[in-house]
Amino acid sequence: NAGVTQTPKFQVLKTGQSMTLQCAQDMNHNSMYWYRQDPGMGLRLIYYSASEGTTDKGEVPNGYNVSRLNKREFSLRLESAAPSQTSVYFCASNRQGLETQYFGPGTRLLVL
Amino acid sequence: SQQGEEDPQALSIQEGENATMNCSYKTSINNLQWYRQNSGRGLVHLILIRSNEREKHSGRLRVTLDTSKKSSSLLITASRAADTASYFCATDAWGNNRLAFGKGNQVVVIP
Repeated sequence: NAGVTQTPKFQVLKTGQSMTLQCAQDMNHNSMYWYRQDPGMGLRLIYYSASEGTTDKGEVPNGYNVSRLNKREFSLRLESAAPSQTSVYFCASNRQGLETQYFGPGTRLLVL
Repeated sequence: SQQGEEDPQALSIQEGENATMNCSYKTSINNLQWYRQNSGRGLVHLILIRSNEREKHSGRLRVTLDTSKKSSSLLITASRAADTASYFCATDAWGNNRLAFGKGNQVVVIP
């Protein structure tokens, strides 16, 4: 099992450009999450999906949209990137009823 | 705002010594988790302690929880160079397993 995979690993954008971060898990987990991590900070929840077909806002959702494409995939879209969105983005998932979250390797995003 | 906060200390210890780090949080919780992050990598779950538990062990890890003080500590005994990492506490501050992470503690274990 690959666990949680994220693409791309690294991306540079110019202000105003759009992009979609991809996340997939092969553990048959119900819930998936998107976090961002800024230097010297812990992770902050952007959006989450408790199950296929549902999504909801987390702590810092402004400037982002998400799509739970199917049970395996949960994508994060930046419609108009801003320098403040420079960060490392992590996707995570967990099985329903269990609290442990499994994290992907992250996507490093630089917005110029 | 962050619900969990560790004491913002960077620990530098010799291999074989014990490492202790602390975490405080603001709201009532169902559980508190500790995660490890190696440099440039994703987070890995270490241990979970529920609100009705006071202490839990897993291998060289010992975690305590004091809900009256809204605080937790993580002890790593007999540290190894491979324990060099950042350690984060996380609470289910908002329900539905939506985690609030602290800022993390950097631990460097010198061989």
